[in-house]
Amino acid sequence: QVHLQQWGAGLLKPSETLSLTCAVSGGSFSGNYWSWIRQSPGKGLEWIGEIHYRGSTNYNPSLESRITISMDTSTKQFSLKLNSGTAADTAVYYCARRVAMAGSGWFDPWGQGTLVTFSS
Amino acid sequence: EIVLTQSPGTLSLSPGERATLSCRASQTVSSRYLAWYQQKPGQAPRFLIYGASSRATGIPDRFSGSGSGTDFTLTIRRLEPEDFAVYYCQQYGSSPFTFGQGTTLEIK
Repeated sequence: QVHLQQWGAGLLKPSETLSLTCAVSGGSFSGNYWSWIRQSPGKGLEWIGEIHYRGSTNYNPSLESRITISMDTSTKQFSLKLNSGTAADTAVYYCARRVAMAGSGWFDPWGQGTLVTFSS
Repeated sequence: EIVLTQSPGTLSLSPGERATLSCRASQTVSSRYLAWYQQKPGQAPRFLIYGASSRATGIPDRFSGSGSGTDFTLTIRRLEPEDFAVYYCQQYGSSPFTFGQGTTLEIK
């Protein structure tokens, strides 16, 4: 079964760039969308965006100007960059899979989560 | 963007009782594209229900989902101690995909 393992810096200063990576194991990279979701006390769960295994991306308009999602199919990894971070971006960030199939749009599985804090 | 509103915010029940959680959408969720998740402290959400009423693999049959249009319900019959957690609904009918704010199911 698919397993997601994520990592990245947990403490950043305001204006710095958040960078997280998620590695896929136990299953195919193909046939899926690879997503990032964050969770903060103030905004709950928020879908950030995703990358299709063929490379197209789909971002939440609320964050689109500051995010980039990329992937490396050779290593079965995908990444999130969010620039110009502020305290409002402090959250637990999750990577997750969304199967690329008609009628499918739920997220399963999820990575373990990474707490990212923006603080001076 | 479709806004999902869950109620109640907190539900206090005892093991063995039945829980009914509501998720209301600000506009019709197409094709019943609604999912439910369970989250326990310090853990990632766990996928429970898709298509409003279909259980994910390995989910006990005491969990059931129903609804269509803008009103959806998650029912847990005969609560077990491990069922006390926070529950979220999520729509995937239109992008951006959105989640409800959650219902906390706590032990009475």
